[in-house]
Amino acid sequence: DIQMTQSPSSLSASIGDRVTITCRASQGISNYLAWFQQKPGKAPKSLIYAASSLQSGVPSKFSGSGSGTDFTLTISSLQPEDFATYYCQQYHSYPLTFGGGTKVEIK
Amino acid sequence: QVQLVQSGAEVKKPGASVKVSCKSSGYTFTNYYIHWVRQAPGQGLEWMGMINPSGGRTNYAQKFQDRVTVTRDTSTSTVDMELSSLRSDDTAVYFCARTDTSMITTSWGQGTLVTVSS
Repeated sequence: DIQMTQSPSSLSASIGDRVTITCRASQGISNYLAWFQQKPGKAPKSLIYAASSLQSGVPSKFSGSGSGTDFTLTISSLQPEDFATYYCQQYHSYPLTFGGGTKVEIK
Repeated sequence: QVQLVQSGAEVKKPGASVKVSCKSSGYTFTNYYIHWVRQAPGQGLEWMGMINPSGGRTNYAQKFQDRVTVTRDTSTSTVDMELSSLRSDDTAVYFCARTDTSMITTSWGQGTLVTVSS
């Protein structure tokens, strides 16, 4: 199975900060990488697919990059609605696997 | 609009089975895959398996291979996930999710809480 490792597991940031989350795959996955946002008690929301493509309706403050084994999710200017947990997922091969999550909290 | 509506919360005893349903609407049911993902309390997301509603082909995570069965009913656009031999650590919220044939996820169900307790 492909292991997905996210870092950090949590971070504290202020409104307006630029935030970067890292995801590393245990083997190359090309660009078969998605990012999800989840708020407490809610289903995940799809943000990015193919490492850098924004899902329809997702604001452009979210961006993704990377290929192979190393990927990043960046939020350009953190807003109150962005405080949540973020997960990466590889869909290169079965079983699909998720990173452990990064909880973004208010400083 | 695309909707995935899941069945309601369940409470089961250890050793029992549970069936969670996911009813699709707003799109052509057989053109997209349905996956099952679970989340234990305070934990991350865990992929369990998937079904291609066109033909019924399934793929399961090794961890659940001998306990999970995913089926579909094209007449009602519904996918069911049955998990057997329940244990306390199966207590979780179970989500269904829709992907295209490239495995890109676009929609999620609201989640179903399954509690396993004696």
